[in-house]
Amino acid sequence: AQRVTQPEKLLSVFKGAPVELKCNYSYSGSPELFWYVQYSRQRLQLLLRHISRESIKGFTADLNKGETSFHLKKPFAQEEDSAMYYCALKGQGAQKLVFGQGTRLTINP
Amino acid sequence: DTGVSQDPRHKITKRGQNVTFRCDPISEHNRLYWYRQTLGQGPEFLTYFQNEAQLEKSRLLSDRFSAERPKGSFSTLEIQRTEQGDSAMYLCASTGGGAEAFFGQGTRLTVV
Repeated sequence: AQRVTQPEKLLSVFKGAPVELKCNYSYSGSPELFWYVQYSRQRLQLLLRHISRESIKGFTADLNKGETSFHLKKPFAQEEDSAMYYCALKGQGAQKLVFGQGTRLTINP
Repeated sequence: DTGVSQDPRHKITKRGQNVTFRCDPISEHNRLYWYRQTLGQGPEFLTYFQNEAQLEKSRLLSDRFSAERPKGSFSTLEIQRTEQGDSAMYLCASTGGGAEAFFGQGTRLTVV
């Protein structure tokens, strides 16, 4: 079965502090992993995907197949990073996304 | 706005009534998806279309739910005999050749 687990429903850090949003997955093959973000009153949008190995808005995420994790990290949080973050998985040959429950990130000034 | 659009944005209906939602994907996108999101949860897959063909349906999609994409452009999702448990945000997304899914703003359904 495919499953994505985000253990923290809420995460609060101060501006300038490092932030890490955890994501663990369960999948027997080689999945594609994504982070989606939803800012207040906006639609869900792609933040980054593991295949591209990019840094978007200062965020990075490394796929760790041994630990089946895809944690999202940023060294210095900014207030505009406050949002809802969803980790998602797409199985090999599949089209649908399987989402985690989401983590609400709040950056305090 | 050339993104995915959904209509209506909000719908309040009485239990037992039928409702229909519409999704207009990004025009060149051939794949269209419906997801449902309840409070405190991530989106859950319901169904997807490639052009006009419905290629996958989740077991969440009971026989009261039906989706169509008759001309391979817009799609409709109908819920018959609504129940309180159907109250949720219904999200539509579309993809073209790439893996990125573009989401609409959703239709929030409240069944009273």
